[in-house]
Amino acid sequence: GAGVSQSPRYKVAKRGQDVALRCDPISGHVSLFWYQQALGQGPEFLTYFQNEAQLDKSGLPSDRFFAERPEGSVSTLKIQRTQQEDSAVYLCASSWGQLLNQPQHFGDGTRLSIL
Amino acid sequence: AQTVTQSQPEMSVQEAETVTLSCTYDTSESDYYLFWYKQPPSRQMILVIRQEAYKQQNATENRFSVNFQKAAKSFSLKISDSQLGDAAMYFCAYESNFGNEKLTFGTGTRLTIIP
Repeated sequence: GAGVSQSPRYKVAKRGQDVALRCDPISGHVSLFWYQQALGQGPEFLTYFQNEAQLDKSGLPSDRFFAERPEGSVSTLKIQRTQQEDSAVYLCASSWGQLLNQPQHFGDGTRLSIL
Repeated sequence: AQTVTQSQPEMSVQEAETVTLSCTYDTSESDYYLFWYKQPPSRQMILVIRQEAYKQQNATENRFSVNFQKAAKSFSLKISDSQLGDAAMYFCAYESNFGNEKLTFGTGTRLTIIP
């Protein structure tokens, strides 16, 4: 597609449920990022993929958060046993990679609400 | 670790006037990128302007320009001839040229345009 696509746009879950958020990056983009944006805050880095390799997961807040990109294109962010503090907008971004010196392109995000 | 500070939670400007948004950052690195992103209510992060630290010339994009003061670690955004469509949250962001491309964001400035 023309841009980064994220689904669902909104997700409501009960505390303790597992959720999965999907990101379709721009075709051909090597780098993919997940960010978490709490209400009234700037986005915070969660994890980074270069193709299918997860090279940095230092921002994942707990072992309940898991991300994958098995074929180097679509990525899924999974949150297990959700907690209220997981409520946030989750943004995905992709780019051609650092060597090409191109900026990241962002999706519209998924707003996750945990009841 | 790098930090980005936006000290103006909210700003307002009359339509057609000029406004300046402030950003300071802290880093020990000499080579990096700085960005201003715009986030309307649709949530998508839209790149406004990018500055490469090794370039002394301030970046400009139509009505948007920056004042990059490397020694002072300051990176302000000037919007000229403000338009109603400029109303949004504006985030300043830092990207190291070492390691991966992850962005470190400030907390944002909400810009209101007064008709």
